[in-house]
Amino acid sequence: GENVEQHPSTLSVQEGDSAVIKCTYSDSASNYFPWYKQELGKGPQLIIDIRSNVGEKKDQRIAVTLNKTAKHFSLHITETQPEDSAVYFCAATKDFFGNEKLTFGTGTRLTIIP
Amino acid sequence: EAQVTQNPRYLITVTGKKLTVTCSQNMNHEYMSWYRQDPGLGLRQIYYSMNVEVTDKGDVPEGYKVSRKEKRNFPLILESPSPNQTSLYFCASKPVGADTQYFGPGTRLTVL
Repeated sequence: GENVEQHPSTLSVQEGDSAVIKCTYSDSASNYFPWYKQELGKGPQLIIDIRSNVGEKKDQRIAVTLNKTAKHFSLHITETQPEDSAVYFCAATKDFFGNEKLTFGTGTRLTIIP
Repeated sequence: EAQVTQNPRYLITVTGKKLTVTCSQNMNHEYMSWYRQDPGLGLRQIYYSMNVEVTDKGDVPEGYKVSRKEKRNFPLILESPSPNQTSLYFCASKPVGADTQYFGPGTRLTVL
């Protein structure tokens, strides 16, 4: 089955700097790669996603890149703000809309230092 | 208000005592799923369902059962809970043709 590895497990960055979180996956048949943000005491929320037919996607300060050959994808947050502090999870699945089994990474705790 | 509700929110029980965690959504979503979250292991999918009477195993289905008799409800059943099922459980739902999953508030389960 699919295996998703996520690094680093913790990350601290100065406010205004950029943060990068990386994930690798094992199943070359995976096609959909969402990123979730989980704030303290809440359920995860989808923040951005990418499909295998696209190499990069941006949404304001957040971007995701995908390298299918190397089987890795990354989350980039620019101009970080205190509200970006949270745990971030990457995930991978075969179905383009995420309707099949979804495998998550182990999470990255991001702390923004004011 | 569109939401996913879980009950109970907190539960302490003993080994072997059958329990059910309910999940209900009012958004007419076809897809529903259960996850468990453990420190250092992230989120792991237990079961998912693409519609009524259709369920499939996730990555960690052992020790759990689910049913999908109605579109809005997707209960998680632990027939004989064990201490290694102590965890934070999340239910989620989404339309089959959309990306965003809507997560419930979580159920913290402790099995003694």
